Amino acid sequence: AQSVAQPEDQVNVAEGNPLTVKCTYSVSGNPYLFWYVQYPNRGLQFLLKYITGDNLVKGSYGFEAEFNKSQTSFHLKKPSALVSDSALYFCAVRANNNNDMRFGAGTRLTVKP
Amino acid sequence: DTAVSQTPKYLVTQMGNDKSIKCEQNLGHDTMYWYKQDSKKFLKIMFSYNNKELIINETVPNRFSPKSPDKAHLNLHINSLELGDSAVYFCASSHAVGTRFQETQYFGPGTRLLVL
Repeated sequence: AQSVAQPEDQVNVAEGNPLTVKCTYSVSGNPYLFWYVQYPNRGLQFLLKYITGDNLVKGSYGFEAEFNKSQTSFHLKKPSALVSDSALYFCAVRANNNNDMRFGAGTRLTVKP
Repeated sequence: DTAVSQTPKYLVTQMGNDKSIKCEQNLGHDTMYWYKQDSKKFLKIMFSYNNKELIINETVPNRFSPKSPDKAHLNLHINSLELGDSAVYFCASSHAVGTRFQETQYFGPGTRLLVL
């Protein structure tokens, strides 16, 4: 069965600095990888996904993620963080041969002015 | 114009009661899901329906019973509520997964259930 690890419960960055939220995965077969963001008292919003092709995926709100097959990672990045990026971020993985999508435990990003 | 909607948004009830949460999507999707998010924000799938047919049924107490009257609706009925059922329940939908496992899931705003 597939699984996802988000090794950091909390990431703190200063506004304007680059941010990285880490994600590693385990799956048999080729992975489909997703990032979602959850703002307080809201549902999850889709940010971006990797299916195939270019390892660098660009998504909403200036976020991007890089698929690294050898390191089984899919880290979320943004060149310049905004205070409004502060939220809970979830990485998710689905294998290319079943419907079951697994979410990581989430990483709380705090961007300070 | 809400894509995935859930009612109620908040639900406070006593132990032992039976309650239902409703979910509707207007995205034309064929697959719908229920997730439970606990107090530590861990998100766990409970059920998935594709065209009204159950395709994922994780290890969930049988007090939880999903019902899909049509492919735009997936309701969650909970019998004999327990304190541990307190959580946020999210509904989601996607295009039919079938062999298209890359489909994105779209989430509702959540129902915050508190069992006293």
